[in-house]
Amino acid sequence: SQTIHQWPATLVQPVGSPLSLECTVEGTSNPNLYWYRQAAGRGLQLLFYSVGIGQISSEVPQNLSASRPQDRQFILSSKKLLLSDSGFYLCAWKGYTTGETQYFGPGTRLLVL
Amino acid sequence: AQTVTQSQPEMSVQEAETVTLSCTYDTSESDYYLFWYKQPPSRQMILVIRQEAYKQQNATENRFSVNFQKAAKSFSLKISDSQLGDAAMYFCALVQYNNNDMRFGAGTRLTVKP
Repeated sequence: SQTIHQWPATLVQPVGSPLSLECTVEGTSNPNLYWYRQAAGRGLQLLFYSVGIGQISSEVPQNLSASRPQDRQFILSSKKLLLSDSGFYLCAWKGYTTGETQYFGPGTRLLVL
Repeated sequence: AQTVTQSQPEMSVQEAETVTLSCTYDTSESDYYLFWYKQPPSRQMILVIRQEAYKQQNATENRFSVNFQKAAKSFSLKISDSQLGDAAMYFCALVQYNNNDMRFGAGTRLTVKP
């Protein structure tokens, strides 16, 4: 069966510091991978998606970037965090066996102070 | 452009009773998929049920069923025999076929009263 991991679970960072959030998927090959952000009390906003190694599509201009160094690894980064980067970050995947259904990881709570 | 609207910010239901959560959407495509996700206090998004737009039959998963009205662009979720564990935020979502841009509604917070 497939599983998706995210770490860290919680992160508190000062403004201006760098960021690296990691997402890995097990039990599948060549998945599409996604990064979403959820502000408090809001729905999800798609930030980035990737259909393969090194292939990144950005949905919104922002202070963040994404990379996919390996087939089942997706990383969300920032060189300098802003207060507005605080939120809940969710990674998701879909594959040949899931059709259009995306399955989500446990998420990372990021607080920028 | 595609949009998803959930007009009920909060709903409550008595344990063992039935509740319906509303969702309307807009898309210009004919081939798309609709989902309901549940987000409990842990905040992990859990798939509840999905509906392919080309299927006329409403999807059902145990106590969860949908009322899919394609012409009206409506996709409501019915929870029967509500349980305390059903308390969560529920999100309606839409994605076009072979597309990576899944759109979510703002969510409905469901409270289950014992």
